[in-house]
Amino acid sequence: DTGVSQDPRHKITKRGQNVTFRCDPISEHNRLYWYRQTLGQGPEFLTYFQNEAQLEKSRLLSDRFSAERPKGSFSTLEIQRTEQGDSAMYLCASSATDRGNQPQHFGDGTRLSIL
Amino acid sequence: GDSVTQMEGPVTLSEEAFLTINCTYTATGYPSLFWYVQYPGEGLQLLLKATKADDKGSNKGFEATYRKETTSFHLEKGSVQVSDSAVYFCALSTTSGTYKYIFGTGTRLKVLA
Repeated sequence: DTGVSQDPRHKITKRGQNVTFRCDPISEHNRLYWYRQTLGQGPEFLTYFQNEAQLEKSRLLSDRFSAERPKGSFSTLEIQRTEQGDSAMYLCASSATDRGNQPQHFGDGTRLSIL
Repeated sequence: GDSVTQMEGPVTLSEEAFLTINCTYTATGYPSLFWYVQYPGEGLQLLLKATKADDKGSNKGFEATYRKETTSFHLEKGSVQVSDSAVYFCALSTTSGTYKYIFGTGTRLKVLA
């Protein structure tokens, strides 16, 4: 169990640029989640994948955001035309589907700073 | 909709003091409840969980009991250490098929030697 891996750890970019983050979940986990955490707040749900299917998207996920999990393994989260308000920590989590509701395992996150 | 309310921090305690961090929830159905801890610059680590009423989760000296009648899941530890300094998040897992989490705002704990 190597844990959930996220890349990059930090991303600094200018407003208007596009950014892409990657998440590698724990290998046998077929559930994958993205959350966004702003300073002093708890994480907020963005989107959920079961295997390669994106089954739920939060209203927080505007049209500028897109997420994929093409082969049911790693996932990417892309933000187009970044805005100041996109500055946050983006967390990925994964869990297994067997034996009911299993706890989610979180990566260390990607911290996005918009200049 | 579902929600989690945590006591506001920061909480500052001396080493070996007793810790309580309050957490209450609003949810339809019977959610699972969790406490996660976040150390500076790191992601969230599962501290403990409870999946049904009256369950007690425990780990590393921390405990929390799922109280359905008061919709609470308060975190307690009998004797805190400096190394417990971190941000603690209470969360519920929705009972829908996605099992996404709803988090509280977090409580920062600072333990002084």
